[in-house]
Amino acid sequence: EAQVTQNPRYLITVTGKKLTVTCSQNMNHEYMSWYRQDPGLGLRQIYYSMNVEVTDKGDVPEGYKVSRKEKRNFPLILESPSPNQTSLYFCASSLVAGPGDEQFFGPGTRLTVL
Amino acid sequence: AQSVAQPEDQVNVAEGNPLTVKCTYSVSGNPYLFWYVQYPNRGLQFLLKYITGDNLVKGSYGFEAEFNKSQTSFHLKKPSALVSDSALYFCAARGAGSYQLTFGKGTKLSVIP
Repeated sequence: EAQVTQNPRYLITVTGKKLTVTCSQNMNHEYMSWYRQDPGLGLRQIYYSMNVEVTDKGDVPEGYKVSRKEKRNFPLILESPSPNQTSLYFCASSLVAGPGDEQFFGPGTRLTVL
Repeated sequence: AQSVAQPEDQVNVAEGNPLTVKCTYSVSGNPYLFWYVQYPNRGLQFLLKYITGDNLVKGSYGFEAEFNKSQTSFHLKKPSALVSDSALYFCAARGAGSYQLTFGKGTKLSVIP
């Protein structure tokens, strides 16, 4: 089944403890992206990757890191999480980086930072 | 900078009535416009998109959207609402030279039996 998977789905952690949220897609998509969803703010893009080894900042990149060493994986790294990073996170992918390509979303990761 | 506005936080409609969820956008160059739906505790699902061509775009589950260039709008419509259409709807836009997809804040649709 074609899909985007994220792990973990739920995570409660404490301030300053480094964590990684994994994202993997099995559709051979070139473009991948991370979003955070907050009530009243909709989805905001954190980082995106147009292909392997090519990443760029979205609208809210502060406090996050990403890497794209393989086409299928795009992990999101929080090196020193803070409570304002408590949010619902979505990974997404699309076939290419073209503007008309729809994105496929993972199921989400709900992160709570205490 | 790109922006998307969904002026209504919530839309209530009776089952069987037509529904409209509004969206306006601002991007550079030609717009690429999308609607996504989010059911509780789920990720976003693609509904439909406008790239070029006919201003009326048809998508999944009987939804359609009307592109209006002069009003920079891309309203989502359905002729007859179902209770199962109740969900959170997001409009998204991208300019021709942009790699970023900008989302609106979402509109909660409630279809009342």
